[in-house]
Amino acid sequence: EIVLTQSPATLSLSPGERATLSCRASQSVSSYLAWYQQKPGQAPRLLIYDASNRATGVPARFSGSGSGTDFTLTISSLEPEDFAVYYCQQRSSWPPLTFGPGTKVDIK
Amino acid sequence: EVQLLESGGGLVQPGGSLRLSCEASGFTFSDYVMDWVRQAPGKGLEWVSVISGSGGETNYADSVKGRFTISRDNSKSTLYLQMNSLRAEDTALYYCAKVGRANKWDQFFDFWGQGTLVTVSS
Repeated sequence: EIVLTQSPATLSLSPGERATLSCRASQSVSSYLAWYQQKPGQAPRLLIYDASNRATGVPARFSGSGSGTDFTLTISSLEPEDFAVYYCQQRSSWPPLTFGPGTKVDIK
Repeated sequence: EVQLLESGGGLVQPGGSLRLSCEASGFTFSDYVMDWVRQAPGKGLEWVSVISGSGGETNYADSVKGRFTISRDNSKSTLYLQMNSLRAEDTALYYCAKVGRANKWDQFFDFWGQGTLVTVSS
């Protein structure tokens, strides 16, 4: 099973600041990594797939990078609606599909 | 507009059974692999099961293998999850999720339902 580790667990930032979230895989997942955003009481929302492709309707301030075992989700300038929990997910080797434990981005 | 609407959750005693449903609309259901993903209260996301577009191929997380059965009725555009021998640790919000590309096992999820809550408790 591929284990995904996300850091930091919590990121406290102010609107307008840049957010950098990390996801590390226990073995290579090539570029088969996705990022999701989840707000309280809502289902997850796909942001990025295959490491760097923005999903339909996702603002350009969200970008993904990386390959192999190290990946980054960057939010270039935080908007108020971006404060949420972010999960990474790999589809390189399954079953099982695996998710990271999440990074919470909260308001400083 | 793609919509996924789960139902069937509720309170059940340990050892009991439930069948979840996910009614899909807004896309050609039979063209897409579909999954169930769950989230225990206050916790992260856990993949549960997957089924091919035809329904002929399935797979499960070890934690539910032998107890849960995924199925689909393409004539009704509905996905199911039959859950037997339920345990307290199965308590979670269960989401159905659609994969991002038709006719492929590309398991990233571009649409999710709102979830149905399963509580296993005596």
